[in-house]
Amino acid sequence: GAGVSQSPRYKVAKRGQDVALRCDPISGHVSLFWYQQALGQGPEFLTYFQNEAQLDKSGLPSDRFFAERPEGSVSTLKIQRTQQEDSAVYLCASSLMTSRDSYEQYFGPGTRLTVT
Amino acid sequence: KQEVTQIPAALSVPEGENLVLNCSFTDSAIYNLQWFRQDPGKGLTSLLLIQSSQREQTSGRLNASLDKSSGRSTLYIAASQPGDSATYLCAVLNTGGFKTIFGAGTRLFVKA
Repeated sequence: GAGVSQSPRYKVAKRGQDVALRCDPISGHVSLFWYQQALGQGPEFLTYFQNEAQLDKSGLPSDRFFAERPEGSVSTLKIQRTQQEDSAVYLCASSLMTSRDSYEQYFGPGTRLTVT
Repeated sequence: KQEVTQIPAALSVPEGENLVLNCSFTDSAIYNLQWFRQDPGKGLTSLLLIQSSQREQTSGRLNASLDKSSGRSTLYIAASQPGDSATYLCAVLNTGGFKTIFGAGTRLFVKA
């Protein structure tokens, strides 16, 4: 079946612009994660959804970052008034999040955001 | 606060060598530990997942172990090949919130 998909794959934004990044999880996966990965670093947790409920947003770096998953499927990460430090790869992962599945996460290819 | 450390940060070995990558974590309250591979410009590919109640998992030439009490995991790669060249990341899934914490990765280069 289809894996996790993300769009766009690449995004260039001028400083101050708003951007929206989309994640399509694996069908039936109740849990969805967003991560930010700076060059040469491991991914940093941003936020976690279980269905449409955002249960943890402790990793969002500022109030310019907003994520939603209104119908418990597709998710959008929005960044308002982008800054240069927002340049990174944004990764999305989904999971069945059951003990039977061992809570395994499946990752999309990421969106590379460059803020100029 | 959970912290994950990977040693070494980079490793270069000749083809055919067996090698060990290390991962340590500070808080043992985890659901699982997952090892990933990341090729340049690509997303993460899951290699092995070890549940908190398990001690090791094997897949082909890969073997991962977990010692939760000491906060350590190792990824053993047997008979390394140039195609194994990539960054290897470990991640722990914390209990009480499902926050996932990654290490910074080990960049592996296998020379032909």
